[in-house]
Amino acid sequence: GENVEQHPSTLSVQEGDSAVIKCTYSDSASNYFPWYKQELGKGPQLIIDIRSNVGEKKDQRIAVTLNKTAKHFSLHITETQPEDSAVYFCAPDGSGNTGKLIFGQGTTLQVKP
Amino acid sequence: KAGVTQTPRYLIKTRGQQVTLSCSPISGHRSVSWYQQTPGQGLQFLFEYFSETQRNKGNFPGRFSGRQFSNSRSEMNVSTLELGDSALYLCASSFRDRGLEQYFGPGTRLTVT
Repeated sequence: GENVEQHPSTLSVQEGDSAVIKCTYSDSASNYFPWYKQELGKGPQLIIDIRSNVGEKKDQRIAVTLNKTAKHFSLHITETQPEDSAVYFCAPDGSGNTGKLIFGQGTTLQVKP
Repeated sequence: KAGVTQTPRYLIKTRGQQVTLSCSPISGHRSVSWYQQTPGQGLQFLFEYFSETQRNKGNFPGRFSGRQFSNSRSEMNVSTLELGDSALYLCASSFRDRGLEQYFGPGTRLTVT
């Protein structure tokens, strides 16, 4: 079956600190691992993604690491800023399925100035 | 490029009625996926269309249906509305063949009374 778990569910950090959110998935056939950011009143925004043939990907202050053997991937945000405050979702693809992402429950990140 | 647009943004309907929601994908994107977002169940996949064909469907009753037109615009329909259908309905488009790198619209907030 398809099961995706995110931890923690809430995370509060001081501005400038780092934040890490972990996502565990059950389907070993998943090959695509994105992270989304959702602000109040808006749709989810794709912020970074990684494919199964890559272990790590960085984009400025954001990085994603993948451990396919252990079936988990993580979002790393460095030098956090108040505008990073939002709900973050991992959403690995449903194996063998087209157009289907399986969303985690979300992590509410609060960055305190 | 314009983003994904969804109309209407807000909708109030009565139990038993039906509703049609519209989605215009990013220009050049041929895959459109639909999701339902509720506080209790989170983000759940409804269905995905590519070149006017439904390629994938989530675990929702037959009251939920959709279609895609030749210009890639998509509609979803919910018949015989129930109170539990109150949710944010999100549409996402992708230019990737497997429809995975998805870009979301702002959603349609449906309230069923």
